Amino acid sequence: EPEVTQTPSHQVTQMGQEVILRCVPISNHLYFYWYRQILGQKVEFLVSFYNNEISEKSEIFDDQFSVERPDGSNFTLKIRSTKLEDSAMYFCASSEGGAGNSPLHFGNGTRLTVT
Amino acid sequence: AQSVAQPEDQVNVAEGNPLTVKCTYSVSGNPYLFWYVQYPNRGLQFLLKYITGDNLVKGSYGFEAEFNKSQTSFHLKKPSALVSDSALYFCAVRGALLGGKLIFGQGTELSVKP
Repeated sequence: EPEVTQTPSHQVTQMGQEVILRCVPISNHLYFYWYRQILGQKVEFLVSFYNNEISEKSEIFDDQFSVERPDGSNFTLKIRSTKLEDSAMYFCASSEGGAGNSPLHFGNGTRLTVT
Repeated sequence: AQSVAQPEDQVNVAEGNPLTVKCTYSVSGNPYLFWYVQYPNRGLQFLLKYITGDNLVKGSYGFEAEFNKSQTSFHLKKPSALVSDSALYFCAVRGALLGGKLIFGQGTELSVKP
């Protein structure tokens, strides 16, 4: 069964450094998302992306964050200058359709630790 | 605005007993409701969804969910729990807007003891 893949599985970085989290969505999916989860807590929406542009973003997704689909397969989340509070599990997701009945499929996540 | 609530942080069940994980929702328009499961250090796995039609929805691993419009609930159920069902369960609603985000409840930790 096709799946969403994320790399790396764990990233440790120092405060103020830039990080790029990478995702390969399921190949025929058109809608892409980033979520984060702070240590087993609620899963929070960051941003959605369709047709090479951001569809929606949350208040968490400030100017330090950006997303990109640099080629036909990858979908990246960049944090420009990491803060301690950015430490979390980051999940990429994709869905085939944009309608409400189309489930999102999630990757296994990247655990980001900012020291 | 759409939202979901899971009133229980934790549910404890003995193996072989039925389990219920509760979820209530608030949406405008037709609800698109989902259940996801998260095992330790893993992503969220899709279990089942309610779109329209039968109020009892069957999903993966023997789970089902009952949609109740009058009570605005979408409780997850399983007739006979397994120890391997122990995980974190999230109820979610997807917005009606095309490409809309999935909004999650706070999650319920299910613990099934032998």
